[in-house]
Amino acid sequence: DTAVSQTPKYLVTQMGNDKSIKCEQNLGHDTMYWYKQDSKKFLKIMFSYNNKELIINETVPNRFSPKSPDKAHLNLHINSLELGDSAVYFCASSHYRRAAEAFFGQGTRLTVV
Amino acid sequence: SQELEQSPQSLIVQEGKNLTINCTSSKTLYGLYWYKQKYGEGLIFLMMLQKGGEEKSHEKITAKLDEKKQQSSLHITASQPSHAGIYLCGADTGGPSAGGTSYGKLTFGQGTILTVHP
Repeated sequence: DTAVSQTPKYLVTQMGNDKSIKCEQNLGHDTMYWYKQDSKKFLKIMFSYNNKELIINETVPNRFSPKSPDKAHLNLHINSLELGDSAVYFCASSHYRRAAEAFFGQGTRLTVV
Repeated sequence: SQELEQSPQSLIVQEGKNLTINCTSSKTLYGLYWYKQKYGEGLIFLMMLQKGGEEKSHEKITAKLDEKKQQSSLHITASQPSHAGIYLCGADTGGPSAGGTSYGKLTFGQGTILTVHP
């Protein structure tokens, strides 16, 4: 039973394309997150949703649009992909205000060529 | 913004050896968290430190928090190949994390890559 699952695991696409990454959690958590890990391994918060409402929106280009259809899902849509978007994107979930103890998905390695 | 600097960036040890990883913050630490990441996987939460002088252990891994020095250390005793991976420290920039609360604006160190040779 996968707690936090992301699809796809790998994504290779050309510049200018639009792509989505899906995330689902079966832990009953009410808060979900998207993190970006760049090539230097720095991990940064992008977005956080609590009960389908956006609560954290860091300085991220508006080409990135998260969508939470329900508490168990948080998808990430990226428009007009750029080379600099290449990174590993992690979805995570936790109980509200317990972000430090979040469960992470295995990551989606996005490569923009 | 708060930054976390980890040292060393990579570490190669022989099985059975002890090792220490340090994490230093550029600002006051209200709480410090340690994680382990295996290649191709997400982070696994190891432990949370919230008070100066606090020390916690999980199996053979011990972490301490020195609030005055704005620093935390992770110590592994008698390392094993299963300890290999990337260790990251994290902190919540949202403020005091009383009672284990963390709001989500986590910042992380760049990670320490640990290799343990059998």
